[in-house]
Formats: sequence, structure tokens, C-alpha cells
Amino acid sequence: GEEVAQTPKHLVRGEGQKAKLYCAPIKGHSYVFWYQQVLKNEFKFLISFQNENVFDETGMPKERFSAKCLPNSPCSLEIQATKLEDSAVYFCASSQGDTGGWQPQHFGDGTRLSIL
Amino acid sequence: DQQVKQNSPSLSVQEGRISILNCDYTNSMFDYFLWYKKYPAEGPTFLISISSIKDKNEDGRFTVFLNKSAKHLSLHIVPSQPGDSAVYFCAASFNRDDKIIFGKGTRLHILP
Repeated sequence: GEEVAQTPKHLVRGEGQKAKLYCAPIKGHSYVFWYQQVLKNEFKFLISFQNENVFDETGMPKERFSAKCLPNSPCSLEIQATKLEDSAVYFCASSQGDTGGWQPQHFGDGTRLSIL
Repeated sequence: DQQVKQNSPSLSVQEGRISILNCDYTNSMFDYFLWYKKYPAEGPTFLISISSIKDKNEDGRFTVFLNKSAKHLSLHIVPSQPGDSAVYFCAASFNRDDKIIFGKGTRLHILP
């Protein structure tokens, strides 16, 4: 598609439960990025993929968080044993890559994760 | 340590006048600088970018200026319109397919 599609828009989980978020990048885009927005305006980078390969995972918490981008499937971000501090809006972005010049990242509308 | 700083949390500008949003950065290795605009309950929308080898880039009503010696960039919007009311994020990246490092945003209010 022409937009980054994130599902669900809102996800509510009890503390300790698992949460799984999905992202369909723009068709033809090679790079996928996940960001976490906490405290209203602070964006934190989590992980990026080049096609199905992890490109940069320096922002991923060592425990509980995992992500995948498999061929012909939406990318996913999974949080095991959720904690209250995981409550945030999670944004996915994609960029074209594989071109000569710089290309911007295009963002989805995010998934609001609420941990109760 | 915050590498991209937007020191003004909010800014109010009269419709039709110029809006100037400012941003400072600390890391001289940044290669690209970006501005994104965000409405509530939506994702950031890319506005304009500038490479570190340039000092100005213009796109319609939007112009970004880069002062590398001062590690400062600014976004000029002229003339300001009601639809420009949003949160503006300054951001930077080290190279072409790298993660984006965001500032904390400036909320722009365009007054009638």
C-alpha cells in the first residue's frame, strides 16, 4: 500500500500479559523502523530491519522485547510480560532504501499500548 | 544526553506571519537533518530535510537553514496558515538508512 499500516490502533493488556503489534510497510520499501513514544513527545528508537534482516537493534531492551519482519507478512513487535512502563505509543516507519540518495522515513499512525 | 534539542516547547504566531522554529544539536557527525510535523493521534509527517553539506533548502512555504558552526538549524514557515498548527519535531540521522534521533518537539499555534 501507499501508507504504513499499523494494527491495532489501541491495545490494552494487564501487567504481565503479552502484547503484539503489527506493521505493514509501504510496498517497495526495504527498511522498517520501530520507535516508542513516551511522555507525550519523546521518541525512542527501538530496532530497524533491512528487508527481513535486523539492521540496527541498539535501542531494543535486552529482555522481553522482540521483533520480526518475515517475507510476505506484516512486521511485528512483541513484548512479553508487559510492565506498566511499557505503556506508550509505538510507531512504525518505513523508507525506500536501495536508491542513490537519502529517502525520508514514512510513519504509521501508531499503536497506543496501555498496560493496566 | 539529548543530542537534538528544541528549547521552545510552544510558539504562537499570527496567521500570515512568519513562523520560525529552532533546533540545536550536539553531534557534529550528523549527516541529515529533518523536520517532521505531527497532529494528535497521527504519526509524524515528513516536511523537509537538509544534508549537512548544504546551508539552505526550500520547499514551497517551508525553508530550513543549517548553521554547522553553531550546530543550529531552523525551520521557517511563511506565510503561516491555520493548518500549520501542530507539533514540529526536529530530527537528525548519521547516514542514509540510519535511525532518526528526535528532539522533544515545539507546539506551534497559528492565531487567527
